[in-house]
Amino acid sequence: AQSVTQLGSHVSVSEGALVLLRCNYSSSVPPYLFWYVQYPNQGLQLLLKYTSAATLVKGINGFEAEFKKSETSFHLTKPSAHMSDAAEYFCAVSGVTGTASKLTFGTGTRLQVTL
Amino acid sequence: GAVVSQHPSRVICKSGTSVKIECRSLDFQATTMFWYRQFPKQSLMLMATSNEGSKATYEQGVEKDKFLINHASLTLSTLTVTSAHPEDSSFYICSARDMRQGHWAYEQYFGPGTRLTVT
Repeated sequence: AQSVTQLGSHVSVSEGALVLLRCNYSSSVPPYLFWYVQYPNQGLQLLLKYTSAATLVKGINGFEAEFKKSETSFHLTKPSAHMSDAAEYFCAVSGVTGTASKLTFGTGTRLQVTL
Repeated sequence: GAVVSQHPSRVICKSGTSVKIECRSLDFQATTMFWYRQFPKQSLMLMATSNEGSKATYEQGVEKDKFLINHASLTLSTLTVTSAHPEDSSFYICSARDMRQGHWAYEQYFGPGTRLTVT
């Protein structure tokens, strides 16, 4: 069984400030972890993924995330927020094989960026 | 590469009618596609896994006879909502896996979604 918990359904930051979106996972097998972004009425775009290689993963648009096994976390960060970062962000977990290879999504975090 | 399209992007239908949503992988062959449902301000919930040439695998609680899935070719999966009711109104998103060499097998590429409104 696998699950994802995203702490904070809404996060508001000022433009230029640090973005931190939290994600904790639970998985009975070594996980693959993902962060997706969704703009209104659109599908999901992959920001980055952890596939058991480097624990610090860099993605698109300046985002990065660090896999911490001891904390079962995969928090998403960006040093300086931009207005265009305002969107819904989903953390997801997938096991390696079989039925565990399906994606399980967190409940999402809406990022608001203010001037 | 790895582009997934959905058609239509929006559809409004009357209660009791059926509506078909198409999911296409435009530049790759997808042996496996997934159908998700997303209610307003909520997360994506997996409805079913669609496998080319075989029956779809439905998640617990999803009615097979209401949400008919057909994956007749390596580039097309369809979701038909039968006898639609207002509670079926939702955002439906499909995804596909690109199994070509050089593509990581566990990544899913998502379509843009279909907004279904049942009146």
